[in-house]
Amino acid sequence: GDSVTQMEGPVTLSEEAFLTINCTYTATGYPSLFWYVQYPGEGLQLLLKATKADDKGSNKGFEATYRKETTSFHLEKGSVQVSDSAVYFCALIDAGGTSYGKLTFGQGTILTVHP
Amino acid sequence: DGGITQSPKYLFRKEGQNVTLSCEQNLNHDAMYWYRQDPGQGLRLIYYSQIVNDFQKGDIAEGYSVSREKKESFPLTVTSAQKNPTAFYLCASSSTSGRALQREQYFGPGTRLTVT
Repeated sequence: GDSVTQMEGPVTLSEEAFLTINCTYTATGYPSLFWYVQYPGEGLQLLLKATKADDKGSNKGFEATYRKETTSFHLEKGSVQVSDSAVYFCALIDAGGTSYGKLTFGQGTILTVHP
Repeated sequence: DGGITQSPKYLFRKEGQNVTLSCEQNLNHDAMYWYRQDPGQGLRLIYYSQIVNDFQKGDIAEGYSVSREKKESFPLTVTSAQKNPTAFYLCASSSTSGRALQREQYFGPGTRLTVT
């Protein structure tokens, strides 16, 4: 079945540091890929997405490139801020044989940014 | 503003009691979903519904029940049969038009359920 694997956390950085959160996936079909962010005590918000190979999703300074050859979708940001502290989830939709497009999540990576 | 509301934000129940979590959306979405989130784990799908009066079990449906009598509403009941009900519950919705791969899910703020 489909699965998403994220790098082990938590990740702790100083403000203005470079961020990478690794994400790899396995899927039976040709999935769409997503990064969601969850701020403390809140629901999930879509951060960015990519729907085909070599697409780059970007939003709020975050970027991720859909790499089909390495089945990866790593999240990067050049300079993190304290306000970026949150839990980040990598996810995929692989329509495969389903009609509704099941969303499969990784386990989440906790990011803490210190001033 | 369009969005998803879940109430209450925090819910406390005694073991053995059923409890119903509310989810309402005004995004005019046909599809709605319930997920469970536990510490250190991703979200796991409990139930989903693509149209009024129809719903399907997700990966962890045991001990839960749902109804979909209105397009806007998708309440989740956590029954006494659910062995570990304490968790954070998230409701989501999406359109059903276009390709399934493009159907972005929008999430509510969640309800934290504690059963003692």
